[in-house]
Amino acid sequence: EPEVTQTPSHQVTQMGQEVILRCVPISNHLYFYWYRQILGQKVEFLVSFYNNEISEKSEIFDDQFSVERPDGSNFTLKIRSTKLEDSAMYFCASSEGGGPADTQYFGPGTRLTVL
Amino acid sequence: GQQLNQSPQSMFIQEGEDVSMNCTSSSIFNTWLWYKQDPGEGPVLLIALYKAGELTSNGRLTAQFGITRKDSFLNISASIPSDVGIYFCAGQLWGNQFYFGTGTSLTVIP
Repeated sequence: EPEVTQTPSHQVTQMGQEVILRCVPISNHLYFYWYRQILGQKVEFLVSFYNNEISEKSEIFDDQFSVERPDGSNFTLKIRSTKLEDSAMYFCASSEGGGPADTQYFGPGTRLTVL
Repeated sequence: GQQLNQSPQSMFIQEGEDVSMNCTSSSIFNTWLWYKQDPGEGPVLLIALYKAGELTSNGRLTAQFGITRKDSFLNISASIPSDVGIYFCAGQLWGNQFYFGTGTSLTVIP
């Protein structure tokens, strides 16, 4: 069964460093998402991406964040200058369509630890 | 952001018992979803609800979209050990942005 994959599974970085989290969405999916889950808390929407541009973003997704689809398979989240409070699990998701009936399939997540 | 409150926060039940949990919001949502998250993994969709009043089953799981569109419940019948995990509700207002609830942690005691 096709699945969303994410690399790395765990990333440790120093405060102020840039990190890039990588995702390979399901191949025939057109909509891509990033979510964040701080340890022990709820999952929070960051951004959705379609047709090579951001379609929606939350208030969390400020100027330190950016997303890109650099090629036909990868979808990346870049955090420019990491802060301690960026430590969280980051989940990528993808869906065939962008409507409410289109199931979003989640990847296993990348655990980001900012020291 | 939107607040979706889930109750109870955690449950400890015996294997074979039925489980009920719910999710409420002050906002009206167009779609309600229920996800399960196992430790160290991403959420997996269990049930999706699209119409007020809709009752949907998926095996031992049953979920309903409240008439007011501000709440939903999830029932699990005859619980088994692999039901252990955190259950999240998620609501959609518009577009493809979903707001997740605070989660209900379920522990099943064999």
